[in-house]
Amino acid sequence: QQQVKQSPQSLIVQKGGISIINCAYENTAFDYFPWYQQFPGKGPALLIAIRPDVSEKKEGRFTISFNKSAKQFSLHIMDSQPGDSATYFCAASGGSNYKLTFGKGTLLTVNP
Amino acid sequence: DGGITQSPKYLFRKEGQNVTLSCEQNLNHDAMYWYRQDPGQGLRLIYYSQIVNDFQKGDIAEGYSVSREKKESFPLTVTSAQKNPTAFYLCASKEADWADTQYFGPGTRLTVL
Repeated sequence: QQQVKQSPQSLIVQKGGISIINCAYENTAFDYFPWYQQFPGKGPALLIAIRPDVSEKKEGRFTISFNKSAKQFSLHIMDSQPGDSATYFCAASGGSNYKLTFGKGTLLTVNP
Repeated sequence: DGGITQSPKYLFRKEGQNVTLSCEQNLNHDAMYWYRQDPGQGLRLIYYSQIVNDFQKGDIAEGYSVSREKKESFPLTVTSAQKNPTAFYLCASKEADWADTQYFGPGTRLTVL
């Protein structure tokens, strides 16, 4: 059972455009939702995270939008740059299980 | 520099051989994790350890073994029982299992010939 569904699997955006990646979860006990960025051959790095007490969190060009009733959250990358080209993973944890459950990832390509 | 180190970066082994992947952290973290990454599959949890001398199976533990004799070290052994061991292996740690932020190492790419 896949508890965190991520879409799209791949995304191509032009430089300066907005990249949007979506995730949906099933477990209502989840209360921590991070996004990780991974460059080829490297380990993932935490990009931004949110808890359900807020509907949006912004850090620079990166914004998480959170919809508790729909059990969905998304990552928005404003003014996308070629250096943003990477694989992005959403994840969730909470309740009695502190371990992260990951989505399958989105390969983002930003064309110059 | 504080962080997680994994060695080696690339590892080649013949089918049927056991191989051990190293993971060391100097973050003074109690919790450590091993993940396997395959294309299009996300990150799948193999084993985790909440504290030294203790560890539990994750979602795909079959064919793997671990030890946690020291707080800073959490080696993973890929045994000959693992049917498809070729993958990218990632080690991670957190201050404690209940903590939010999880840090990842740079990974080891294992190729079984």
